[in-house]
Amino acid sequence: AQKVTQAQTEISVVEKEDVTLDCVYETRDTTYYLFWYKQPPSGELVFLIRRNSFDEQNEISGRYSWNFQKSTSSFNFTITASQVVDSAVYFCALSEGVKAAGNKLTFGGGTRVLVKP
Amino acid sequence: DTGVSQDPRHKITKRGQNVTFRCDPISEHNRLYWYRQTLGQGPEFLTYFQNEAQLEKSRLLSDRFSAERPKGSFSTLEIQRTEQGDSAMYLCASSYLAGGGGDTQYFGPGTRLTVL
Repeated sequence: AQKVTQAQTEISVVEKEDVTLDCVYETRDTTYYLFWYKQPPSGELVFLIRRNSFDEQNEISGRYSWNFQKSTSSFNFTITASQVVDSAVYFCALSEGVKAAGNKLTFGGGTRVLVKP
Repeated sequence: DTGVSQDPRHKITKRGQNVTFRCDPISEHNRLYWYRQTLGQGPEFLTYFQNEAQLEKSRLLSDRFSAERPKGSFSTLEIQRTEQGDSAMYLCASSYLAGGGGDTQYFGPGTRLTVL
């Protein structure tokens, strides 16, 4: 069975500080996909990134960066120079690949990020 | 493209009543998923449709729950004889996948259900 663990339940930072969110996953599949979603106070889950298990290149998008390490089964997310608008709950999720019955997501428990001005 | 829409956004009902939620996916998306999220937790998978076929159901989906996706477009999720434990946010997501590999799911705003 697949599992996603986000050990940090809440992180509080002051604006312009960097913040790193940890995500550790478990799966028996060799092909799988990892995701990060943002859930602001409005409640809608916003897609941020998807990573394939066979692509370990790190990725940067503006102030966001992701570090994927298969050796430690981790997919960590860093927000550089945080802003108040980054305040939200962030979810890491996993789906197993090549399934005829879809790619249901298994989510971690989420990390609440509070950015103070 | 308009995003995934859900209706209603909020529903308050009394225990024992039936409720129905609707999800309109992104146009041309062939896959549709339902999830449930309780306070302070991550979403949990309920069921999945590819076009009009319901291909997978979670054991969380008791026989009081039923979902349909007629004609492979919008979907409805009905809960019969609601219980207080059904109080949660019900999220719908859609995606498009032509062949093998993985899909990226885009979520709607959710329907928050409160059972009194």
